[in-house]
Amino acid sequence: SQTIHQWPATLVQPVGSPLSLECTVEGTSNPNLYWYRQAAGRGLQLLFYSVGIGQISSEVPQNLSASRPQDRQFILSSKKLLLSDSGFYLCAWTARGSSYNEQFFGPGTRLTVL
Amino acid sequence: AQSVTQLDSQVPVFEEAPVELRCNYSSSVSVYLFWYVQYPNQGLQLLLKYLSGSTLVKGINGFEAEFNKSQTSFHLRKPSVHISDTAEYFCAILYGNKLVFGAGTILRVKS
Repeated sequence: SQTIHQWPATLVQPVGSPLSLECTVEGTSNPNLYWYRQAAGRGLQLLFYSVGIGQISSEVPQNLSASRPQDRQFILSSKKLLLSDSGFYLCAWTARGSSYNEQFFGPGTRLTVL
Repeated sequence: AQSVTQLDSQVPVFEEAPVELRCNYSSSVSVYLFWYVQYPNQGLQLLLKYLSGSTLVKGINGFEAEFNKSQTSFHLRKPSVHISDTAEYFCAILYGNKLVFGAGTILRVKS
């Protein structure tokens, strides 16, 4: 069966510090991968998605970047965090070629920037 | 472009009462619709989905939703809620290989 992992689960970082959040998927190959941010009182905002190694699409201009160094690994990064980067970050995957692209979500990372 | 509107940000309801969480969508092409649930500090879990066929879709935990093309709606219902149903619920529509989510509805079940 497929599983999706995210770490760390929680993170407190000072403004201006770097960020690296990791997401890995097990039990499937060639997944589409997604990063979402959920800010307090707001819905889910799609930040990045990837259809393959090294292929990243950015949905909104922002202080963050994403990379996919391996087929089942998706990394969210920042060189200098802003207060507005605080939120709950969710990674998700779908099976490539799925006719309806049901997304499966990881447990999330709670990021607090102080 | 596809979009989703969840009309209620919060819905308070007493335990064992029925509930309906409203979702309206906008789409110019074939519609694939989803409802997800998020418990506090957790990821999202799929409740149910509409792809085609019967407009009444049954999901997990006793939830169901009805696809209404003329009203462009996909409301979520449960005939009798439990305390454990307290969570945030998201309606979503498929757009290419991406999901577009509504802003979410917080369901608060009171005893």
